[in-house]
Amino acid sequence: EAQVTQNPRYLITVTGKKLTVTCSQNMNHEYMSWYRQDPGLGLRQIYYSMNVEVTDKGDVPEGYKVSRKEKRNFPLILESPSPNQTSLYFCASSPLGDSSYEQYFGPGTRLTVT
Amino acid sequence: EDQVTQSPEALRLQEGESSSLNCSYTVSGLRGLFWYRQDPGKGPEFLFTLYSAGEEKEKERLKATLTKKESFLHITAPKPEDSATYLCAVDGTYKYIFGTGTRLKVLA
Repeated sequence: EAQVTQNPRYLITVTGKKLTVTCSQNMNHEYMSWYRQDPGLGLRQIYYSMNVEVTDKGDVPEGYKVSRKEKRNFPLILESPSPNQTSLYFCASSPLGDSSYEQYFGPGTRLTVT
Repeated sequence: EDQVTQSPEALRLQEGESSSLNCSYTVSGLRGLFWYRQDPGKGPEFLFTLYSAGEEKEKERLKATLTKKESFLHITAPKPEDSATYLCAVDGTYKYIFGTGTRLKVLA
């Protein structure tokens, strides 16, 4: 089954404790992206990657890191989480091209930083 | 600055009562405009991609249209299972900007 998987699905952590949220896709997509979703603010793009070793900032990259060492994986790293990073996080992937390149979203990771 | 504004924020319809959702956008170099459906606690689910003004796409009770400044999602004779949040997004240059969505509730 074609899918985007994220782990963990739920995470409660404390301020300053480094964490990684994993994202993996099995569709051989070139493009991958991370979003956060907050009430009243909608989905905001954190980082995106157009291929292995190619990453770029979205609208809200502060406090986050990403890496793309393999085509299928795109982990999101919070090196020193703060309470304002409490949010619902989504990973997404899509092919690159001029047609039919809609994004497929993972199930989400709900992060709480206390 | 690239921007996407959706209206209304929330909409309650009776079953069978048709309506339209609006998505106004400002983007330098539109590569595509997307509509997604999102159910509570789940990831967005793709509905349509529109690429150029004048384009229309349909799927069951939904029809999406695009002009140079806005897109509409028309819902014809909605059913309770159409209740969800509908999101609009634009792709400028591989950076995606989402609107805050329209929460649709269809009453039986």
